[in-house]
Amino acid sequence: SAVISQKPSRDICQRGTSLTIQCQVDSQVTMMFWYRQQPGQSLTLIATANQGSEATYESGFVIDKFPISRPNLTFSTLTVSNMSPEDSSIYLCSVEGTGKSGGYTFGSGTRLTVV
Amino acid sequence: GNSVTQMEGPVTLSEEAFLTINCTYTATGYPSLFWYVQYPGEGLQLLLKATKADDKGSNKGFEATYRKETTSFHLEKGSVQVSDSAVYFCALSDRQGSGGSYIPTFGRGTSLIVHP
Repeated sequence: SAVISQKPSRDICQRGTSLTIQCQVDSQVTMMFWYRQQPGQSLTLIATANQGSEATYESGFVIDKFPISRPNLTFSTLTVSNMSPEDSSIYLCSVEGTGKSGGYTFGSGTRLTVV
Repeated sequence: GNSVTQMEGPVTLSEEAFLTINCTYTATGYPSLFWYVQYPGEGLQLLLKATKADDKGSNKGFEATYRKETTSFHLEKGSVQVSDSAVYFCALSDRQGSGGSYIPTFGRGTSLIVHP
């Protein structure tokens, strides 16, 4: 299965600033997923990113707040823009395995605290 | 739409106790089912999976059987260890529409705490 390198692993940011999170995959993958995991909560899908096209955002998430880049088949970034304390969360990237039964591989996560 | 429901935690057990974490699902298609584990401070790791009815996924002493008739995928382990303390997520993967991609749906997670 794929190996994902995600960074930064954690950051403390001032409100109103932006943070860009990077995920590098050791193999080419078609789809990458970005999730938010708030304290004690499950994973909430932010968006799905395919190489060469605009990301598809889930309800409640917009491109202006969470712009995503997917310049090639092994790399993606998620930016959390104009941050507020409510954005404090763990952000995870993920890629799917092979077809229906492959499962999903996750990055180690970025723990973001906005002060 | 698809959904996954897990039992609320935390589940607190003594070492060597028997573990069951219940998971039921709703899906429009015929999904694959997964259990993921998240150790403190880490990302999610795939624990086990099952792709069709009556399949049993197993790993590290954990087991779960795909029960289509009850739409369930309960996680079990006969004898838990302190090192099993983590958050466990039940998930399904189903195709979105005809020819669509497989999009995962996760449960809320169940925290397991094992005491010596």
